[in-house]
Amino acid sequence: DTEVTQTPKHLVMGMTNKKSLKCEQHMGHRAMYWYKQKAKKPPELMFVYSYEKLSINESVPSRFSPECPNSSLLNLHLHALQPEDSALYLCASSHETGLAGVNEQFFGPGTRLTVL
Amino acid sequence: AQKVTQAQTEISVVEKEDVTLDCVYETRDTTYYLFWYKQPPSGELVFLIRRNSFDEQNEISGRYSWNFQKSTSSFNFTITASQVVDSAVYFCALSEVGSGNTGKLIFGQGTTLQVKP
Repeated sequence: DTEVTQTPKHLVMGMTNKKSLKCEQHMGHRAMYWYKQKAKKPPELMFVYSYEKLSINESVPSRFSPECPNSSLLNLHLHALQPEDSALYLCASSHETGLAGVNEQFFGPGTRLTVL
Repeated sequence: AQKVTQAQTEISVVEKEDVTLDCVYETRDTTYYLFWYKQPPSGELVFLIRRNSFDEQNEISGRYSWNFQKSTSSFNFTITASQVVDSAVYFCALSEVGSGNTGKLIFGQGTTLQVKP
């Protein structure tokens, strides 16, 4: 299995809603990532988990809350979002950096989020 | 500071033409990694290639080839005999080693390639 899956594909939510994005991989990767991508822009890193522990938080507002329940799953909990948070949210995974250096990340298809 | 520049915002070619996408990077590290990703309209980023800073050999994979020149800090990507299915946004990325055994990707702004039939 060489893919990263994300659910849902599309999500529309109001500013007072609470929702969660889910990501799953079964490639044995121990590093997992959340990115945010606005239209016509490159992906922006939000969070990185390594061995189920949060290793990088790119100063993301607390209305985004990541969670890594196990080595295969990554969640992003959303609460009190703003319309400017509307974007494509991409999950990725990779082998951890080691003797082989920095490894390529494999991306899921993304969740297209609209905040009304 | 680490930076990736893709000066070509959009390129339009006719099918079967060759096309080169430029990528110039800046880094102070002696060990670094460069990547190319393809993002078709469906949205998923597809990994194309990884290259480390010690390996300057050019690489060819089917119709795709990559030219890595450390002297000019460039990592250019050429598609030979382009096809309509090559239409996508292409991102060049540079990695720095992040904390916790992870790599942090620094993306260029992307080049939108349109291949017309």
